[in-house]
Amino acid sequence: GAGVSQSPSNKVTEKGKDVELRCDPISGHTALYWYRQSLGQGLEFLIYFQGNSAPDKSGLPSDRFSAERTGGSVSTLTIQRTQQEDSAVYLCASKERGGLADTQYFGPGTRLTVL
Amino acid sequence: AQSVTQLDSHVSVSEGTPVLLRCNYSSSYSPSLFWYVQHPNKGLQLLLKYTSAATLVKGINGFEAEFKKSETSFHLTKPSAHMSDAAEYFCVVSDITGNQFYFGTGTSLTVIP
Repeated sequence: GAGVSQSPSNKVTEKGKDVELRCDPISGHTALYWYRQSLGQGLEFLIYFQGNSAPDKSGLPSDRFSAERTGGSVSTLTIQRTQQEDSAVYLCASKERGGLADTQYFGPGTRLTVL
Repeated sequence: AQSVTQLDSHVSVSEGTPVLLRCNYSSSYSPSLFWYVQHPNKGLQLLLKYTSAATLVKGINGFEAEFKKSETSFHLTKPSAHMSDAAEYFCVVSDITGNQFYFGTGTSLTVIP
């Protein structure tokens, strides 16, 4: 595709439910990132995938958060037993390759609201 | 550890006047630095990046930034603000591997007609 796409664009859920957020990176990009952006805050790193290497999960805030990347392309971020503090915009970005501080290309984000 | 500090959470300028958005970084090595812009309900878009080439970096939409090692700064400027520049701006530093990125808390730019 032309850019990074994310779905859904908006998600409203009830506290305690599980949610899945999807990211389709730019074709051929080997690196994929998930970030969380809370109201009035900068971007908080969550997880990073690079090719077939084990992901860097150091930013995941709790064990309720997990992510996978199938076939080196599409990624899904799962939040189990959602809490109100999980409400935020979740942004995905892809990069052509690892290292070299290449440009990240961002998707439009998924706005998650937990009631 | 790497970090960036955006010194102003909000900046307001009149249309046609200069823009200055300030960013200071902390890094134990020569960093790569980026400025991104985020318009309402949109994803982040790269404005410009510094990767140890020329210290004055020109970006899109007339923006530029100057890397000053002695001041550990990477301020974003534009000679003349346009209404379409109203957005959130993020300064970003990468780690030494180029795989991890650290974002500032953002500066909201308002352009007054």
